[in-house]
Amino acid sequence: DIQMTQSPSSLSASVGDRVTITCRASQGINNYLAWYQQKPGKVPKLLIYASSILQSGVPSRFSGSGSGTDFTLTISSLQPEDVATYYCQKHNTAPWTFGQGTKVEIK
Amino acid sequence: EVQLVESGGGLEQPGRSLRLSCTTSGFTFGDYVMSWVRQAPGKGLEWVGFIRTKVYDGTTEYAASVKGRFTISRDDSKSIAYLQMNSLKTEDTAVYYCTRASFSSSWRSDYWGQGTLVTVSS
Repeated sequence: DIQMTQSPSSLSASVGDRVTITCRASQGINNYLAWYQQKPGKVPKLLIYASSILQSGVPSRFSGSGSGTDFTLTISSLQPEDVATYYCQKHNTAPWTFGQGTKVEIK
Repeated sequence: EVQLVESGGGLEQPGRSLRLSCTTSGFTFGDYVMSWVRQAPGKGLEWVGFIRTKVYDGTTEYAASVKGRFTISRDDSKSIAYLQMNSLKTEDTAVYYCTRASFSSSWRSDYWGQGTLVTVSS
């Protein structure tokens, strides 16, 4: 099975900073990758799908890129409400494996 | 408004069974793949499995950790998805989410239920 590896596992950044999270697949998955945000104590929420398509209603400071094995989620200007754990998930074939998550905190 | 509501969670002993339900509304249930995702306390998200639509014979896929023990089914007439969990293990303790999976350009879980907690303990 294809493994999904996120880095870093956690990060601390200041409000207004540009934040980048990476997700690497052990084999190519084309652009079949989604990103989810889970705020503390809340249900996960879809941010981006097909590697770079922003889900309706998601702020434009979030963006995604990548294809094949390497993917990136970028928050262009970190806001206090972005404190959360972010997960990538592959959706090409089963199993739809998640990355282990990246916890984002405010410095 | 799309809604997914899980039910059926609770405390169960190892080796026993439990059936979760995901009752949905606000969309044409039969047109969508339905999936289950779980999250152990303090841990990350783990995909459990999904069920395809009747167009694809309602076939299922499972994570290796649950294959042979868990079964996903659907009742399109009631707009409900089920997760039958047999031979429960303590490591199955988690919040279980059902999700609606949509496809355009790529798959994604665009709607999630609020989750139901399953605790497996003697």
